[in-house]
Amino acid sequence: QKEVEQDPGPLSVPEGAIVSLNCTYSNSAFQYFMWYRQYSRKGPELLMYTYSSGNKEDGRFTAQVDKSSKYISLFIRDSQPSDSATYLCAMSLQGAQKLVFGQGTRLTINP
Amino acid sequence: GAVVSQHPSWVICKSGTSVKIECRSLDFQATTMFWYRQFPKQSLMLMATSNEGSKATYEQGVEKDKFLINHASLTLSTLTVTSAHPEDSSFYICSAGLSITDTQYFGPGTRLTVL
Repeated sequence: QKEVEQDPGPLSVPEGAIVSLNCTYSNSAFQYFMWYRQYSRKGPELLMYTYSSGNKEDGRFTAQVDKSSKYISLFIRDSQPSDSATYLCAMSLQGAQKLVFGQGTRLTINP
Repeated sequence: GAVVSQHPSWVICKSGTSVKIECRSLDFQATTMFWYRQFPKQSLMLMATSNEGSKATYEQGVEKDKFLINHASLTLSTLTVTSAHPEDSSFYICSAGLSITDTQYFGPGTRLTVL
């Protein structure tokens, strides 16, 4: 069993839809949770960063962490074609040290 | 802020040669940098953790004599792929740890093709 599980997709939704991306994990010691967006042939770009449980909102993006269920989510509201990318969840025990990544979900937003 | 650059963005080399990739944190000092490789349609695989002024820590299965890492300053880390072979062809990405916010910021990646 992988430490972090993420459905690779692909996921295709129409423009304007609400997108839900999820990851589950097995190590209850993880404290820091991140979502990265990666366009083809580019490095990952940090979207959201959360410490411990709770919700965090930034514009059209909302990150949720449920440590009791070992489950994290990223919601994208009013999705745009420019949101089409691979979304990677990542987590760590201590801050910037040694991230463990999910497999990444390929998302396509259709105009 | 928190910009990380990599150079070159792509490189093609002959089998048996060595290739050096640079990773720089442009607007912050990074005590820790990380090197990853990524195969097509796969996630990032951590190769090594690089701390300024000390030896890198390699992940299991990564050959330290083949992938030489030098972290000479708080803003520069280099990865040298020695005696490259076609199976080393991959996308290499570095990141830098920004300890204040406890996150990693990634460079744009370097695509290595070994002929």
